[in-house]
Amino acid sequence: GQQVMQIPQYQHVQEGEDFTTYCNSSTTLSNIQWYKQRPGGHPVFLIQLVKSGEVKKQKRLTFQFGEAKKNSSLHITATQTTDVGTYFCAGPGDAGGTSYGKLTFGQGTILTVHP
Amino acid sequence: GAVVSQHPSRVICKSGTSVKIECRSLDFQATTMFWYRQFPKQSLMLMATSNEGSKATYEQGVEKDKFLINHASLTLSTLTVTSAHPEDSSFYICSAVGGGETQYFGPGTRLLVL
Repeated sequence: GQQVMQIPQYQHVQEGEDFTTYCNSSTTLSNIQWYKQRPGGHPVFLIQLVKSGEVKKQKRLTFQFGEAKKNSSLHITATQTTDVGTYFCAGPGDAGGTSYGKLTFGQGTILTVHP
Repeated sequence: GAVVSQHPSRVICKSGTSVKIECRSLDFQATTMFWYRQFPKQSLMLMATSNEGSKATYEQGVEKDKFLINHASLTLSTLTVTSAHPEDSSFYICSAVGGGETQYFGPGTRLLVL
């Protein structure tokens, strides 16, 4: 079945440093989504990328979708303590599946920011 | 918009009892709802997919008789953990999908089975 791998598992940075998490799929994705989960909280949708090579920005966050639509990255510039949390990428579930909206989540990257 | 609620937020129960968790989409109709389980510092593990008016589809390895799912309406799905045991203690999260592909997550339910 489809696998979505995410690295690194953990990232500790000093406030102000940049941070990047990478996501790779075993299959071509029609789209990729990114979620953030704060400690003790639930995942919150950040963005969806659909087009090959697409780049989207949300303030200090930059999201990229690879040309082959099998990998993606999330880059945070000048991290702040409010960026702390786990960042998940997610791709659509198995092709031909019966459930619309089903996602396969990566393992997540836990980001800690030291002030 | 796209708010999903979950109740209860926390529950402690004795081993052998059953626990029901509700998931509601408050401001949209959810064609599909998903139930996840999450262990500390781990990813979301999909347990089952719930479609209104039909039987839930369970992921491999998830016991359907232990985790009963009912999707009574387009805004409500329930997960019942039957005869709960300590190993069922976990964080259970639901999500709902409306017309698009984005999943909107509920705040989760922390279950502790003593």
